[in-house]
Amino acid sequence: RKEVEQDPGPFNVPEGATVAFNCTYSNSASQSFFWYRQDCRKEPKLLMSVYSSGNEDGRFTAQLNRASQYISLLIRDSKLSDSATYLCVVRGNTPLVFGKGTRLSVIA
Amino acid sequence: DGGITQSPKYLFRKEGQNVTLSCEQNLNHDAMYWYRQDPGQGLRLIYYSQIVNDFQKGDIAEGYSVSREKKESFPLTVTSAQKNPTAFYLCASSRERNEETQYFGPGTRLLVL
Repeated sequence: RKEVEQDPGPFNVPEGATVAFNCTYSNSASQSFFWYRQDCRKEPKLLMSVYSSGNEDGRFTAQLNRASQYISLLIRDSKLSDSATYLCVVRGNTPLVFGKGTRLSVIA
Repeated sequence: DGGITQSPKYLFRKEGQNVTLSCEQNLNHDAMYWYRQDPGQGLRLIYYSQIVNDFQKGDIAEGYSVSREKKESFPLTVTSAQKNPTAFYLCASSRERNEETQYFGPGTRLLVL
C-alpha cells in the first residue's frame, strides 16, 4: 500500500460547483497533514494545513479522519483559477510524503 | 524579498555528463530538500539536509550527490550514474526539519540529449 494515495482525476467541474477530494495515508503515526496546490509546470505551494477539528479558509474546507486515515478537501463555488493539481501531504517522523495529486479543471 | 531560487530553469545534459543544479535560499532556514517529479507522479525525496555540513539520503538518492557547505546553499549534482535523469527537480526549505511548511523554489527541468 502506498504511503499517500489520491484519485488522480481529472475532475472536470463547471464554475460554481462544489468539489471534494479525498486522500488516504498508510502510516498511522503520521502527525501532520497538508494540502498543497501545484499549477502546471510550477512549484507546489501550501494551500492549507489540516487539523483534527477540521478547518476552513474561505471557500476551502479541510478535514481529517484519523480513525479511517483519510483527509479531505472541499472547494465550494469553484473558480476558473482553482484549476490545478492538489497534492495531499503527510508528515510522520520523516520529511513530508507527497501524494501524486488530484487534477482539477474548472470549466466556464 | 525572501525566497528560494533555483538555476537554471532548463538544463540539458549529454549522456555520461555530470551536471549541478543550484538552490539558494535567503529565508535563514536550517533544513533544505531536493525532490524529483516525473510527469503524472508525486514528488520523491532525493536528499535532505537539516543543518550545515550534514545531509541524509531520501528515497531515491542513487545517482545523485549533494553538499551543504553554507546554510543558504544546497546544490544537487546529477551524476552519470543516474540512468534516467530527465525530470523536474524541486528544491525546498523549512525553518527546521520538523517544520510544518516547506517553501519551494521554481524548479529546474533537466533533459538528457
